[in-house]
Amino acid sequence: KAGVTQTPRYLIKTRGQQVTLSCSPISGHRSVSWYQQTPGQGLQFLFEYFSETQRNKGNFPGRFSGRQFSNSRSEMNVSTLELGDSALYLCASSFLPHGGARGDTQYFGPGTRLTVL
Amino acid sequence: EDQVTQSPEALRLQEGESSSLNCSYTVSGLRGLFWYRQDPGKGPEFLFTLYSAGEEKEKERLKATLTKKESFLHITAPKPEDSATYLCAVEGDNDMRFGAGTRLTVKP
Repeated sequence: KAGVTQTPRYLIKTRGQQVTLSCSPISGHRSVSWYQQTPGQGLQFLFEYFSETQRNKGNFPGRFSGRQFSNSRSEMNVSTLELGDSALYLCASSFLPHGGARGDTQYFGPGTRLTVL
Repeated sequence: EDQVTQSPEALRLQEGESSSLNCSYTVSGLRGLFWYRQDPGKGPEFLFTLYSAGEEKEKERLKATLTKKESFLHITAPKPEDSATYLCAVEGDNDMRFGAGTRLTVKP
């Protein structure tokens, strides 16, 4: 079974630009979550999508947005990049049976390393 | 506000020297507590889910336990390949919150 894939793996942008990251979940997984990981703040939850709908959102500004397509693939967009947005962005998918917790058997991708100059 | 605190920040063990990692938490409406392992340059790898106080899960040399306020990850007779950062996370009514992790090093 193929794992979660993320593209690109590495990205360098300058302040003020925008960026789009892509995530393909494990086949059959309906829930896709995005996280930001930095040395100072650790792993922080950005948002979760289920059946093309955003179900949960973390405490991040509106510059961070996402969407999910009918095939469960997801994209994350960050507009007007700031230096502090430099981080490892992780996508995770889970099957999420009815009423289940999304963290249960959640599989992470390798991440996209974003550097903002 | 939901909070997760892991201790110690770093732990160095000799091969075969058993120990425990701690995860203290406060959460509104616990839906699950999770343990992950993360190797450098990789995404976290799921280990365990615990749903209620008193629950225990085991996998090879690892055993996770849960009380109403904390969880422990017990490592029995660790090997060098167990070296990694171990992350604890809680999912509640509002959010999913991760701890800062415990960086474990096992020396041969």
